[in-house]
Amino acid sequence: AQSVAQPEDQVNVAEGNPLTVKCTYSVSGNPYLFWYVQYPNRGLQFLLKYITGDNLVKGSYGFEAEFNKSQTSFHLKKPSALVSDSALYFCAVSYTGRRALTFGSGTRLQVQP
Amino acid sequence: GAVVSQHPSRVICKSGTSVKIECRSLDFQATTMFWYRQFPKQSLMLMATSNEGSKATYEQGVEKDKFLINHASLTLSTLTVTSAHPEDSSFYICSARDPTGGTDTQYFGPGTRLTVL
Repeated sequence: AQSVAQPEDQVNVAEGNPLTVKCTYSVSGNPYLFWYVQYPNRGLQFLLKYITGDNLVKGSYGFEAEFNKSQTSFHLKKPSALVSDSALYFCAVSYTGRRALTFGSGTRLQVQP
Repeated sequence: GAVVSQHPSRVICKSGTSVKIECRSLDFQATTMFWYRQFPKQSLMLMATSNEGSKATYEQGVEKDKFLINHASLTLSTLTVTSAHPEDSSFYICSARDPTGGTDTQYFGPGTRLTVL
């Protein structure tokens, strides 16, 4: 069975500072890893994904994530946070045997001006 | 980018009535769509996988007779909550898998807020 852990319920960061939102996973086989962002009362917006290839993945709005196989992690990062980045972030995993996504519990990012 | 729409965005109904939610992929064909449920301040829980032209696959604990799913075309899947009760009140979100180019990315609709009185 697959699982995703987002150990932080909330991350607070000052505007202009770098941010990291943590995610670890467990799957049987090669993982497909995703990050989505959710604004209040809205659906999820796709940010980026790792399927194969380069471990550093760049996505929308300046976000990036690094796939680390040995640590089974896929942390989301951004060099300089914006107040508008404040939202709920979900890490998700699927794999070839199961295309449906399994989501982490979500991390609320709060960027203070 | 790929766009998925949901209709309605919000619905309030009386207990015992049925509610239909539509999910459409607007600019790509989706052989597979997914239905999720999200409770307040919680993550998304997969309810079922909807495959075009075949029966949906339901997750353990999800009543297939209560949550009827139909995927009649490559761009439309519907979820009908039958005989709705207050405990069915939730945020329902669909997604469509874009298989083109090997991206295997799911794109999500904006969600439907269901309130059962």
